[in-house]
Amino acid sequence: DIVMTQTPLSSPVTLGQPASISCRSSQSLVHSDGNTYLSWLQQRPGQPPRLLIYKISNRFSGVPDRFSGSGAGTDFTLKISRVEAEDVGVYYCMQATQFPWTFGQGTKVEIK
Amino acid sequence: QVQLVESGGGVVQPGGSLRLSCAASGFTFSSCGMHWVRQAPGKGLEWVAFIRYDGINKYYADSVKGRFTISRDNSKNTLYLQMNSLRAEDTAVYYCAKGYSGDYWGQGTLVTVSS
Repeated sequence: DIVMTQTPLSSPVTLGQPASISCRSSQSLVHSDGNTYLSWLQQRPGQPPRLLIYKISNRFSGVPDRFSGSGAGTDFTLKISRVEAEDVGVYYCMQATQFPWTFGQGTKVEIK
Repeated sequence: QVQLVESGGGVVQPGGSLRLSCAASGFTFSSCGMHWVRQAPGKGLEWVAFIRYDGINKYYADSVKGRFTISRDNSKNTLYLQMNSLRAEDTAVYYCAKGYSGDYWGQGTLVTVSS
């Protein structure tokens, strides 16, 4: 199974300041079809997960442009350009390149 | 709009069975692969199973293989998870998720395995 490792596990951020989360996979996430199925999910308190970013850098429908994804191969990053109060929650990276899907441990974003 | 509504959760004794359902609407269900993902209380996300749009190919996590069965009824726009030989460690909120990359998720249904 592909192991996904996120850092940091906790990220206290001041409102309006940027935040960054890293995710590393134990092997390349490049699929045989040429795509890299690395996604980022947001889970607000008491809510189900919500897709933010798919295939490394594509924002899903309705996701604010302060969220951006980057990376390649085994190293990926989610950035929030200016954290807002509604961004509080846990963020997960997820690979869908091969079964089983696997997730990072989650990074808790909270306001200082 | 896309809606996924899970049901069927509850309290069950170890060794018991439960069937979860996920009613889908707002998209062409018969064209989409579907997943079950679970989350134990206070823990992270764990993928459980996937079924292809036509029900032909199915994949399972090792932790549930041989005990859980994923299925679908495209005429009813419904996804199922039959869970047998339940264990305490199966206690979790179970989510269904749409599409190969999980673009929409339901609200989840809680399964508690306890004597």
